[in-house]
Amino acid sequence: DTGVSQDPRHKITKRGQNVTFRCDPISEHNRLYWYRQTLGQGPEFLTYFQNEAQLEKSRLLSDRFSAERPKGSFSTLEIQRTEQGDSAMYLCASTFPRPPSGGEDTQYFGPGTRLTVL
Amino acid sequence: GESVGLHLPTLSVQEGDNSIINCAYSNSASDYFIWYKQESGKGPQFIIDIRSNMDKRQGQRVTVLLNKTVKHLSLQIAATQPGDSAVYFCAENTAGGTSYGKLTFGQGTILTVHP
Repeated sequence: DTGVSQDPRHKITKRGQNVTFRCDPISEHNRLYWYRQTLGQGPEFLTYFQNEAQLEKSRLLSDRFSAERPKGSFSTLEIQRTEQGDSAMYLCASTFPRPPSGGEDTQYFGPGTRLTVL
Repeated sequence: GESVGLHLPTLSVQEGDNSIINCAYSNSASDYFIWYKQESGKGPQFIIDIRSNMDKRQGQRVTVLLNKTVKHLSLQIAATQPGDSAVYFCAENTAGGTSYGKLTFGQGTILTVHP
């Protein structure tokens, strides 16, 4: 257990429905990342937050996807009008920059939310 | 349609053997590298990392080697145990610029350890 939690662990939905996932990072970590992982592939970056600010979004994040981190703690990822191609594992990771360089530090991943769109 | 199937490299070893898992990375500007272990149905678990100003780093039973000249990373696991069976991913990160620490993952290697 890395200390990053995700909910739900599994979600089955019908095409066209909206789904929302939650991530609770390690408490002192100010950086939070969302990744998507399909079968047989490594995780692919979706979006990144530093505190409550969303600083980068991948081109993989279509306009049906939205992510928030309203208080700089937990984050939510919503997918609207789900499609079968959205079926994947959605992973959250968090990290805290290693001082004094402020460079990137180890990202700790949660267990993921497995989404199946029927 | 979309093709489905696993085409990951595989490594099969006997318990007690040493394992070497290789990875080629793509971005010569990457300066931070991480190895993750992922068991079925779980998120990636951090194993060891290395920064580009080093060429070797050792942990408990694991060693990472970095060859920047040929953009190659390897993970050595000593005295491999059945519990080491998993998919292993290397990941690279480019500090600075606008990358914000996002990781780019390699293909992954399936390690199977036989008792």
